[in-house]
Amino acid sequence: QKEVEQNSGPLSVPEGAIASLNCTYSDRGSQSFFWYRQYSGKSPELIMFIYSNGDKEDGRFTAQLNKASQYVSLLIRDSQPSDSATYLCAVKVGAAGNKLTFGGGTRVLVKP
Amino acid sequence: KAGVTQTPRYLIKTRGQQVTLSCSPISGHRSVSWYQQTPGQGLQFLFEYFSETQRNKGNFPGRFSGRQFSNSRSEMNVSTLELGDSALYLCASRPGQGADEQYFGPGTRLTVT
Repeated sequence: QKEVEQNSGPLSVPEGAIASLNCTYSDRGSQSFFWYRQYSGKSPELIMFIYSNGDKEDGRFTAQLNKASQYVSLLIRDSQPSDSATYLCAVKVGAAGNKLTFGGGTRVLVKP
Repeated sequence: KAGVTQTPRYLIKTRGQQVTLSCSPISGHRSVSWYQQTPGQGLQFLFEYFSETQRNKGNFPGRFSGRQFSNSRSEMNVSTLELGDSALYLCASRPGQGADEQYFGPGTRLTVT
């Protein structure tokens, strides 16, 4: 079992709709959770981070964390063609150091 | 604030050679981490430096090494290059204690022929 799992997609979403991305992790000691967006040929860009159970909203993005079920999700509201990218879920395990473990990413395609 | 910078952006090397990549973190950030990204393995952690000390190391052979300088700039070195070392090498910085968010630089694309 991979430490951080994501559906590879592609997740096809009509413009204006909500894109829902999921990520599960295996280590219950995981403490911090991140979503990165990566355009083809570019480096990952941090778009959301969440440390506590519940929802965190930032603009059109909402991150949801459920530590009991070991999943974190990302909602993209009012999806735009510019949101078409690969979204990477990353998890930090433990308090010492700052090693991030990444999922394989979910490719999102927003169709006009 | 300027973002993380990495040099060079592109590099072509031959098997058996060695390479040094450089990373300058965001001003004020004291922690630098290095990652390797390949299509097959995805993003994998190489190592992290904080205040010139290596704090974590990923599951990579000893050919991969790094260091951090007193101004927080970091370098990573790969010796005896193999074809499988072809990858995008990413550097990420974070402020330090109490802040886990990492911000990536543009990466160095290494091709080994």
